Amino acid sequence: NAGVTQTPKFRVLKTGQSMTLLCAQDMNHEYMYWYRQDPGMGLRLIHYSVGEGTTAKGEVPDGYNVSRLKKQNFLLGLESAAPSQTSVYFCASSYGVMRRAASNQPQHFGDGTRLSIL
Amino acid sequence: TQLLEQSPQFLSIQEGENLTVYCNSSSVFSSLQWYRQEPGEGPVLLVTVVTGGEVKKLKRLTFQFGDARKDSSLHITAAQPGDTGLYLCAGPALGGSQGNLIFGKGTKLSVKP
Repeated sequence: NAGVTQTPKFRVLKTGQSMTLLCAQDMNHEYMYWYRQDPGMGLRLIHYSVGEGTTAKGEVPDGYNVSRLKKQNFLLGLESAAPSQTSVYFCASSYGVMRRAASNQPQHFGDGTRLSIL
Repeated sequence: TQLLEQSPQFLSIQEGENLTVYCNSSSVFSSLQWYRQEPGEGPVLLVTVVTGGEVKKLKRLTFQFGDARKDSSLHITAAQPGDTGLYLCAGPALGGSQGNLIFGKGTKLSVKP
């Protein structure tokens, strides 16, 4: 009964390094999301996916790439990390059975990845 | 641009006190959700309100959706230390058929024993 699992939980990178954050969900959810949470800024959507093989840009997509090769996994990549990308990253998932009602579906969040870029 | 403004930003109270936090917008929302986030964890959904004027109760928590569907409030009766956390409101983004939400910046509540 894991729900949404994010790995790693913590990471420190140097400027210019690359890394991939992994999100896995076991609830058979169609929709998945990546957010970043910064003090005083709230949760901001980076990228999202409405199904396997599909991705779309959110509010703050620059500097990030994503892939959804399998329904249960959603990967977030940083190709060349910058100090401005220091943040806590959250993955979430939700049902998308009926698109009209998708906005009322709860989003289920992982516990976050705390990323520091020096 | 859709915005959800939450107030107060911070709230520190003693156990047993009552409190109300607010979520306001100039935009109309088809629904609003409230989440609670505890330190080191992700947000967890508390409630979804979908009808203007709707009131929902969850034990000591009472949620209200404004008649015009532009605002919502969360009232906690006799707060306990276990209520400590960040309270976030969220609503569907414009064109949010993909389930996209916009979040307020949250109210950070601390309940002291």
